[in-house]
Amino acid sequence: GAVVSQHPSWVICKSGTSVKIECRSLDFQATTMFWYRQFPKQSLMLMATSNEGSKATYEQGVEKDKFLINHASLTLSTLTVTSAHPEDSSFYICSRKRQGVWGYTFGSGTRLTVV
Amino acid sequence: SQQGEEDPQALSIQEGENATMNCSYKTSINNLQWYRQNSGRGLVHLILIRSNEREKHSGRLRVTLDTSKKSSSLLITASRAADTASYFCATAQTGANSKLTFGKGITLSVRP
Repeated sequence: GAVVSQHPSWVICKSGTSVKIECRSLDFQATTMFWYRQFPKQSLMLMATSNEGSKATYEQGVEKDKFLINHASLTLSTLTVTSAHPEDSSFYICSRKRQGVWGYTFGSGTRLTVV
Repeated sequence: SQQGEEDPQALSIQEGENATMNCSYKTSINNLQWYRQNSGRGLVHLILIRSNEREKHSGRLRVTLDTSKKSSSLLITASRAADTASYFCATAQTGANSKLTFGKGITLSVRP
């Protein structure tokens, strides 16, 4: 079964509303998790690194006030898209390092559509 | 910014044939990883090769790394229709929790 659980798998929301996406590490405690964004037929772009108990580290060009990341526990990181607009429609994916080995495990992704 | 650049961008082959995908990168790396993504899904880790390794095998997968040319290749032998997916290379620099930088991806279609 999935060891990184991402929820919801898809969401449709109205412009101006906020949407929260959850990413859970099911098999071990993850002090660091990563959030990516992927547009259709494009690659994954790292948005931010989520650090348990401290502020997230955002990549250049990513608005931290628009994409709120909370990593309040060792097994849960959340991404909240605030005041969503149609241009925020995208596929959002979280990941964390695989336990004991190199490589990363990814969630199944969340398809966000803002109408 | 994206580091990896895969080629070709799209590849269509017949079932049973081998598929070779290439990736180039720009900076020094700790390791290079290949991932697979089915349409609309998350990524699955396929194989990792460290900077001091030149070749690695895993089942039907063979990956090579040439650090002098800053390039890697992924070979899938005896392809199957189920191998149809997008494939991404990703590079990691130093640090246990270093972030991954992904290439643009290659869309592989395996015709039954």
